[in-house]
Amino acid sequence: AQTVTQSQPEMSVQEAETVTLSCTYDTSESDYYLFWYKQPPSRQMILVIRQEAYKQQNATENRFSVNFQKAAKSFSLKISDSQLGDAAMYFCAYGNNAGNMLTFGGGTRLMVKP
Amino acid sequence: DAGITQSPRHKVTETGTPVTLRCHQTENHRYMYWYRQDPGHGLRLIHYSYGVKDTDKGEVSDGYSVSRSKTEDFLLTLESATSSQTSVYFCAISVTSGYEQYFGPGTRLTVT
Repeated sequence: AQTVTQSQPEMSVQEAETVTLSCTYDTSESDYYLFWYKQPPSRQMILVIRQEAYKQQNATENRFSVNFQKAAKSFSLKISDSQLGDAAMYFCAYGNNAGNMLTFGGGTRLMVKP
Repeated sequence: DAGITQSPRHKVTETGTPVTLRCHQTENHRYMYWYRQDPGHGLRLIHYSYGVKDTDKGEVSDGYSVSRSKTEDFLLTLESATSSQTSVYFCAISVTSGYEQYFGPGTRLTVT
């Protein structure tokens, strides 16, 4: 079974600064997908970014980018130019090769200071 | 907007009573999922469906059953609710197996 670990329960960042959230996972599969989801106080789960394991190039979506290290089984999220609206819980998730489930980490609460 | 609604959005029920949560989608996606969210655990998969009448168990399926008689509806039933099933329940869909999942707004269930 896969496991996903987010070792930072809480992080804080100054507005306009950059922050990196960490995620590690354990798997024996070679093909899989990785995701970051954002959950603001509204409780809605919002997809931030995805990465296919077979792609070496790190995914980027506007101010959000990942550092995917397959050999190290590491998948960190970098948020540049942090905004107050970025304050939320962030969940790292592993999508298995069969495509029938996501395994989530415990989450990191990001606070953004004005 | 993935066109996913969940009902009810909030429910309080007593231990031992049956409860059914409904997930409805408007875009005829094949894959649907039920997760529960508890503090410190992120989301955990309960059951999923890969077509009408085709369902399978997830990581935490004990005490739950599901049904899918129409593409657009996926029902989660707690036959006899227990306090350990107090949680926030999320429905999700995916366009294609293995690709990203999109989530409904969640249902907060409290079992007293």
